[in-house]
Amino acid sequence: KQEVTQIPAALSVPEGENLVLNCSFTDSAIYNLQWFRQDPGKGLTSLLLIQSSQREQTSGRLNASLDKSSGRSTLYIAASQPGDSATYLCAVRRQNRDDKIIFGKGTRLHILP
Amino acid sequence: DVKVTQSSRYLVKRTGEKVFLECVQDMDHENMFWYRQDPGLGLRLIYFSYDVKMKEKGDIPEGYSVSREKKERFSLILESASTNQTSMYLCASSLTAGGEKLFFGSGTQLSVL
Repeated sequence: KQEVTQIPAALSVPEGENLVLNCSFTDSAIYNLQWFRQDPGKGLTSLLLIQSSQREQTSGRLNASLDKSSGRSTLYIAASQPGDSATYLCAVRRQNRDDKIIFGKGTRLHILP
Repeated sequence: DVKVTQSSRYLVKRTGEKVFLECVQDMDHENMFWYRQDPGLGLRLIYFSYDVKMKEKGDIPEGYSVSREKKERFSLILESASTNQTSMYLCASSLTAGGEKLFFGSGTQLSVL
């Protein structure tokens, strides 16, 4: 059974620092992995999608990497800003692309001004 | 950009009422999903649909049903609302083709009294 874990559950860092959020999954047979951002009381916004054949994806100050063999993904945020404060969730789709998507419980990030 | 619209941001209902949650997407996506999100439990899949009039049970379908009469609309029905169905409900959609991102609505916070 696929399980997705995000540690830590919460993280506070000073503004301007670079930071890394972690995501681990138990079954390496994945189709893709997606990172989301969620603001309080809102829906999820897709940030980056990495296919199983890819190693990383970049968008602006965000970079997501994928290491299937070790069952890990990281989301790197450069030069953090207070507006980056949110909960970040990762989700994996198992190898059959019609299969369900499994979410981690997220890391709540607070950027200190 | 893909737009996934949920008809209500907040709903308050009484125990035993029949509740309809509506979701509409505007990008001709085949796949549509209903999740609920609870503190400490993360996102859990209730039902999903890969085509019109087609539905599949997710991880927690008990007490819920769905309807997909048109491709753009996916409705979640609580047949007889109970207090343990108080939750944030999130609708999502995606294409069936490879590499699909998951797009979410802004959520409906349902309180059952």
